[in-house]
Amino acid sequence: DIVMTQTPLSSPVTLGQPASISCRSSQSLVHSDGNTYLSWLQQRPGQPPRLLIYKISNRFSGVPDRFSGSGAGTDFTLKISRVEAEDVGVYYCMHATQFPYTFGQGTKLEI
Amino acid sequence: EVQVVESGGGLVKPGESLRLSCAASGFTSSDVWMGWVRQAPGKGLEWVGRIKSKPSGGTTDFTAPVKGRFTISRDESTNTLFLQMNSLKTEDTAVYYCATSRTTAGAFDIWGQGTMVTVSS
Repeated sequence: DIVMTQTPLSSPVTLGQPASISCRSSQSLVHSDGNTYLSWLQQRPGQPPRLLIYKISNRFSGVPDRFSGSGAGTDFTLKISRVEAEDVGVYYCMHATQFPYTFGQGTKLEI
Repeated sequence: EVQVVESGGGLVKPGESLRLSCAASGFTSSDVWMGWVRQAPGKGLEWVGRIKSKPSGGTTDFTAPVKGRFTISRDESTNTLFLQMNSLKTEDTAVYYCATSRTTAGAFDIWGQGTMVTVSS
């Protein structure tokens, strides 16, 4: 199984300041079709997960443009340009390159 | 409205069975890849299994902790996905989410609110 490792696991942030989460996979996430199926999800307290970013850097519909994704191969990053109060929650990276899909441990973003 | 709604959770004893349902609306569930993800209390997200779309063969895959005990099936007439869970263990206690990859290949863009399964004697 591909292991996804996120850092940090907890990130105290200041409103209006940027935040960054890293995700590293134990092997390349490049699929045989040439795509890299790395996504980022947000889980607010008491809520189900919500897709933010797919295929490394594509923002899902309705996701604010302060969220951005980057990376390639085995190293990926989620950035929030200016943290807002509603961004509090846990962020997960997830790969869907091969089954079993796996998540990172989650990064708790707290103000 | 495009959504999935899970139901069927509850309290069962170890060794018993339970069937979860995921009712899809706003899209045809057999046309998309769907899956089940669980989250134990206070823990992270864990994949349980997925079913490919009918055009992709409709086959299922499961993660090691549930392989041989859980199955996934679809009822096209009611646009519903099922997770049949047999020989339940205490470690299967979790919120079970249904998710679908409807518009984003390789990512799951629609998630239900989840249904709680508690396995305890």
